[in-house]
Amino acid sequence: QVQLQESGPGLVKPSQTLSLTCTVSGDSISRGTYYWSWIRQPAGKGLEWIGRILASGTTEYNPSLKSRVTISVQTSRNQLSLTLNSVTAADTAVYYCARGGGGDATLHYWGQGTLVTVSS
Amino acid sequence: DIVVTQSPLSLPVTPGEPASISCKSSQSLLYNNSYNYLDWYLQKPGQSPQVLIYLGSNRASGVPDRFSGSGSGTDFTLKISRVEAEDVGVYSCMQTLQIPFTFGPGTKVDIK
Repeated sequence: QVQLQESGPGLVKPSQTLSLTCTVSGDSISRGTYYWSWIRQPAGKGLEWIGRILASGTTEYNPSLKSRVTISVQTSRNQLSLTLNSVTAADTAVYYCARGGGGDATLHYWGQGTLVTVSS
Repeated sequence: DIVVTQSPLSLPVTPGEPASISCKSSQSLLYNNSYNYLDWYLQKPGQSPQVLIYLGSNRASGVPDRFSGSGSGTDFTLKISRVEAEDVGVYSCMQTLQIPFTFGPGTKVDIK
């Protein structure tokens, strides 16, 4: 069974960098078959797709965040990472990592999510 | 960006009765391989979203057959044939035809 677990600081100061890690078990990121995505959800609001990555390092980002976001993989640790620069209160949200399907972009497996609050 | 809308945004349901949610997109989600790039997710209270339907009408693994997806192009529907108490939560549709992938605003389903 594929499992994903997000981790990282729950509080980030405005203008600083948000950094999260997603640890994968039950599957190997290095297999390269699937896209691994980050999605976020502000409290009481809808879901927003942030971006995704293949094990090869190929990335695709939401243009609305592209100038501030980086997604990377650490295959030796079976992890993927999210960094978001110059954060503001608008970046306060629950952040999820998820795995896509083999031939489609459907998010078949999700982590439990981690709340990140941007506040001084 | 492709805009995805849903209706209704709130849906009180009666256990044992059917229910349906509509999802519309600003552009056709039908690709030239005949697949519609539209998925449905359910986020139960306190949980992460889980996929119910992918590529318009394919039930995900482990999803009860009371859930079905239909539609093509820009208009899609999720139907629950007989609602159960465990079906409460927020239902969202998501298009995966074009980057950035976009979600609908969500439909909150609760028991009357």
